[in-house]
Amino acid sequence: AQKITQTQPGMFVQEKEAVTLDCTYDTSDPSYGLFWYKQPSSGEMIFLIYQGSYDQQNATEGRYSLNFQKARKSANLVISASQLGDSAMYFCAMRGLTGGGNKLTFGTGTQLKVEL
Amino acid sequence: GAVVSQHPSRVICKSGTSVKIECRSLDFQATTMFWYRQFPKQSLMLMATSNEGSKATYEQGVEKDKFLINHASLTLSTLTVTSAHPEDSSFYICSARELGGDTGELFFGEGSRLTVL
Repeated sequence: AQKITQTQPGMFVQEKEAVTLDCTYDTSDPSYGLFWYKQPSSGEMIFLIYQGSYDQQNATEGRYSLNFQKARKSANLVISASQLGDSAMYFCAMRGLTGGGNKLTFGTGTQLKVEL
Repeated sequence: GAVVSQHPSRVICKSGTSVKIECRSLDFQATTMFWYRQFPKQSLMLMATSNEGSKATYEQGVEKDKFLINHASLTLSTLTVTSAHPEDSSFYICSARELGGDTGELFFGEGSRLTVL
């Protein structure tokens, strides 16, 4: 069984500042992948970044970086230099990589609002 | 990145009618597609896993006779909400995994907002 926990229902950040969105997980799979998705008000799910449990380095994609701390089972998303367009719902998700399973388990999401 | 397209994006129907939602992978083949339901301000709940050429696998609590899933080809899966009722009003979103993708990431469609009157 897998579980994703996002403890911040809402976050505010000023434009150009950095913000960290928290995500902790629990799984019995020895190998797994962690994902972050952005969902703007229009509804589509936009893939942001991926971290494999076996990756030695933290993943980065442009202004997004994933602070992966395996021992603490956390996979926080860091957005640097926030922009107004970053205002959206952010979901952390994971899936086990053993046994051929493809199902993603999602957290409850964090609503981020970027202010001037 | 890979593109997944859903149609229609919005649909309003009368109670008792059936509604079909299509999910297409436009530039890749997907043997597996996933259907999610999302209530306002909530997370995505997996409804079923759609496998090309075989029956869908439904999550616990999801009525298979109410939510018919057909995955007729490697690029198309359809969700039919049969005899829709107001409580079926929701945001339905599909996803697909690109074969051979490095991360196994799932690409999502734009979603379909169903309103049942």
